[in-house]
Amino acid sequence: GESVGLHLPTLSVQEGDNSIINCAYSNSASDYFIWYKQESGKGPQFIIDIRSNMDKRQGQRVTVLLNKTVKHLSLQIAATQPGDSAVYFCAVSEEEQLIFGQGTELSVKP
Amino acid sequence: NAGVMQNPRHLVRRRGQEARLRCSPMKGHSHVYWYRQLPEEGLKFMVYLQKENIIDESGMPKERFSAEFPKEGPSILRIQQVVRGDSAAYFCASSPLGRDEKLFFGSGTQLSVL
Repeated sequence: GESVGLHLPTLSVQEGDNSIINCAYSNSASDYFIWYKQESGKGPQFIIDIRSNMDKRQGQRVTVLLNKTVKHLSLQIAATQPGDSAVYFCAVSEEEQLIFGQGTELSVKP
Repeated sequence: NAGVMQNPRHLVRRRGQEARLRCSPMKGHSHVYWYRQLPEEGLKFMVYLQKENIIDESGMPKERFSAEFPKEGPSILRIQQVVRGDSAAYFCASSPLGRDEKLFFGSGTQLSVL
């Protein structure tokens, strides 16, 4: 079955630095990937998504990279700000459902 | 266009009582999903519904838990005879298409069982 994991449970970065959050998945048939941000006491908020026919997609200050060869997904946040502090989840499609990872907690130091 | 609305925001119940959690999907969305989240854990899928139909309830406990999404009105997640282990945040999400598409989440209901 699908397993979705994150390489680091916590990540601490200095304000202004770039952040990279990683996600590994196991099902090579997965074709849709999403990153969510969850702030304390709130529901997950969509950040960016990517389909398997792409290997990179950019948004505002965020970039998602997909490496299908090694089944790895990453979220890059440029010029990290205190407001980026949250838990970040990757979600991977498998057999018509989304499987969520455990989450990485990003902490931004001023 | 209002987002996914969940209420109540916080719900306190004593052991043995019933908990009813409500979710109104985004306008135009006919697919509703319920997830449970324990502190410092990920989202665990519970049930997936379309109007008047339960499509997948594989993540929902067989006893005490039920869900519905009637033709009119919000989706309801019902927990009978709550126990302390039911304490968690319950999130509802909706989508316009199938379950492997982008989900839009509500703010959740925090259930506390005393």
